[in-house]
Order: sequence, then structure tokens, then C-alpha cells
Amino acid sequence: DVVLTQTPVSLLISLGGQASISCRSSQSLVHSNGNTYLHWYLQKPGQSPQLLIYQVSNRFSGIPDRFSGSGSGTDFTLKISRVEPEDLGVYYCLQRTHNPWTFGGGTKLELK
Amino acid sequence: EVQLVESGGGLVQPGASLKLSCVASGFTFSDYWMSWVRQTPGKTMEWIGDIKYDGSYTNYAPSLKNRFTISRDNAKSTLYLQMSNVRSEDTATYYCTRDGTLWGQGASVTVSS
Repeated sequence: DVVLTQTPVSLLISLGGQASISCRSSQSLVHSNGNTYLHWYLQKPGQSPQLLIYQVSNRFSGIPDRFSGSGSGTDFTLKISRVEPEDLGVYYCLQRTHNPWTFGGGTKLELK
Repeated sequence: EVQLVESGGGLVQPGASLKLSCVASGFTFSDYWMSWVRQTPGKTMEWIGDIKYDGSYTNYAPSLKNRFTISRDNAKSTLYLQMSNVRSEDTATYYCTRDGTLWGQGASVTVSS
């Protein structure tokens, strides 16, 4: 199975600050069709995961441009600028290039 | 409203069976692959498997393939997860998801004697 390693495990950020989360894969996430199926989710306390970014860098419907994704191959980053209170929770990366889907271990974003 | 609603969770004894349901509304259920994902109490996320839009193909995480079965009834817009010979490590919140874009609220399953 593909292993996704997320760092850091937790992040203390001030309101209005910037956060950066890394997701590194044990193998390339480029599919044979050329697409890279690496997605980012936020799970707020008591809620289901919500999709933020799909295929590395595409913001899902309704996601503000404070969220951005980048990367390629095995190395991916989620950046959150101008952190707001509603951004707090646990962030997960997910790969769907290879079966089985696998998730990163999560990064908890908390206020400093 | 576009939504997924899981049901069927609860407390179950080790070795027993349990069937979860996920009712879809607000979209054409039969157009989509559907998946089950679970989250352990320690917050680890694990993909269980998925099923093709017409129910003709299923795909499972290798570690769960022998005990879990995914099925669907498109006439009822409902996805199912049949769990057999459950173990304590199956204690988790179980989510159904459409393409990873739409998630249900989750069904909690606790395996304990």
C-alpha cells in the first residue's frame, strides 16, 4: 500500500497567519492516465471530512482562495493563508491513484 | 438537498455481523461509484472499498476483503456495508462517500462484549 506521511502532526498558528502542511508519498502518485489523484480534506470537530483541494491544486466548490495546493510526484503541500477560526481542525491528504486509497495521518491545526 | 445518511451502527459483540446502510438523496445515485471509509477512535482514516455505479464491480482493501461486503440498491438509492465476524479493531465511525466529494455524517460502530 502507498504510505502518506504528513508533517507536522500539529500546527499552532495565530489568526491571520499562514500554515503549511506537507504530504509525502512512498511512491509516485502520477496515474497511468497522467493525472495525480492527491486530495486534501479538513475535518472540523464533530464533522465529516470536507474536500478542500482535489488533484493536487484544484479548489473544490466554495473553498476560498486562502487554500492552495501544490506539488508533484511524491511531494505535496497544502498552504492556508490568513488563517481564520473556521479553518481549525484536522487536515488529511488522500491518494486515490493506487488501490487501496490511503490517507495521511492527519495534521491538527490549532490556534496559538 | 444533496446528502448521504448512514444508519445501522451501534454496539455489537465480537464475532457478530452488522449491516450498515447509506441512503442518498438529491442526486442520481445510480450515476456514481460509492465508497465506504472508516475512522478509528484514534482518528486514523481507512478506506474499506467501493462499488461501481451499477453494482457490477467491487473493490476492497485487502485486509478487509474477506469479512466486509459492499452492495447497493439503486432503486432505493441505498448503499450497504455488510460486516461479518467483527473484531474490536473494527470499532470506528463508518462513512459512506460519493467520489470523496460528498460524505455522510457517519455511523458509529462499537465492538465489545
